[in-house]
Amino acid sequence: NAGVTQTPKFRVLKTGQSMTLLCAQDMNHEYMYWYRQDPGMGLRLIHYSVGEGTTAKGEVPDGYNVSRLKKQNFLLGLESAAPSQTSVYFCASEKGLTYGYTFGSGTRLTVV
Amino acid sequence: QQQVKQSPQSLIVQKGGISIINCAYENTAFDYFPWYQQFPGKGPALLIAIRPDVSEKKEGRFTISFNKSAKQFSLHIMDSQPGDSATYFCAASKAAGNKLTFGGGTRVLVKP
Repeated sequence: NAGVTQTPKFRVLKTGQSMTLLCAQDMNHEYMYWYRQDPGMGLRLIHYSVGEGTTAKGEVPDGYNVSRLKKQNFLLGLESAAPSQTSVYFCASEKGLTYGYTFGSGTRLTVV
Repeated sequence: QQQVKQSPQSLIVQKGGISIINCAYENTAFDYFPWYQQFPGKGPALLIAIRPDVSEKKEGRFTISFNKSAKQFSLHIMDSQPGDSATYFCAASKAAGNKLTFGGGTRVLVKP
């Protein structure tokens, strides 16, 4: 049981480049989330999804887009990367609130 | 504006000592308060959680204390061990919404 898998694990982008981060879960969870982690700021919600075909904005959505075409996959896109998007990105999925989130191991993104 | 404020940012404790991390929240609609533990290079994992209908919850060496009137909750790690060295995040959620709002994190170092 792989849980939540994020790819890639590391990436360096030049300002203005685009990329897609992939999150895949094999637990049949309805809810999926994308967070970014920055020192001293904890985890901030970028976008989330409550089911296949649905997405919604979180706390810091600007500069990001998402898609959930299949229940098991949640994609995070950066159309034109900026240095302010340098961060560690975590995907999480959830069966139900009190079961807790299952997080992936993160993607460390550097934008130069 | 951080809806969940966590302190301290870092903490050093001797083996066998007590680690105490505090969180304060603003939104009175929050009614689920989990703590997550994160080791370097890994995603956070659910440690323990509490609802506001109880003032304390204990699981092994970890205890959550909750003060609804003060809108504060804390994590106590008793008999701290070097293996407890990690970053701890408090979080809060409205049960119906599922989205977690995280505090800024506390890096705990337990010295042998």
